[in-house]
Amino acid sequence: ETGVTQTPRHLVMGMTNKKSLKCEQHLGHNAMYWYKQSAKKPLELMFVYSLEERVENNSVPSRFSPECPNSSHLFLHLHTLQPEDSALYLCASSQVPSSFSYNEQFFGPGTRLTVL
Amino acid sequence: GIQVEQSPPDLILQEGANSTLRCNFSDSVNNLQWFHQNPWGQLINLFYIPSGTKQNGRLSATTVATERYSLLYISSSQTTDSGVYFCAVGDLTQGGSEKLVFGKGTKLTVNP
Repeated sequence: ETGVTQTPRHLVMGMTNKKSLKCEQHLGHNAMYWYKQSAKKPLELMFVYSLEERVENNSVPSRFSPECPNSSHLFLHLHTLQPEDSALYLCASSQVPSSFSYNEQFFGPGTRLTVL
Repeated sequence: GIQVEQSPPDLILQEGANSTLRCNFSDSVNNLQWFHQNPWGQLINLFYIPSGTKQNGRLSATTVATERYSLLYISSSQTTDSGVYFCAVGDLTQGGSEKLVFGKGTKLTVNP
């Protein structure tokens, strides 16, 4: 595998389910990101992990819970979601010199989530 | 926070035509990227271009940071160029890190 991979590619879940999205980067980067793309809004940042430390939580509801066990893996744990959470969830990675700067970001193929 | 505006929102071309996509941003930036999103949702990096001019095959981009805009040129368009083109700029977050702020995109349709 090369680049940034995401699994699953498609997910349908009920509002009472618990599921997790997985992202893995094979680029040797040290920062990872979750973005959300919904039909009515531009792509927007959810979380940033830099040097395995969460450095940004962009006012995301607590029903979304990120986890970054190491610099290559990022998870997004989902529970009691709402239908309006249906969207394309994109993971990205980059190489940063420190926690407070950024370089070119590379994106995975996304997980298309539908909440019934 | 920084605002990013892209124009035009929609563009329809015949195969072989040239086009220019524009991205305006509201503040000075150190980072700017152009992406192509294919029909399956994958964001493909086209250019990392906070300033200057770059070319890659039929595509080229120019960013004039002092005037707060960037242009993406597509020459001799092909049907495979269809999709949504996004401009994204780096902006500082409240936590002190940087994030990408995306425009709403330009939807390009290239007809055979």
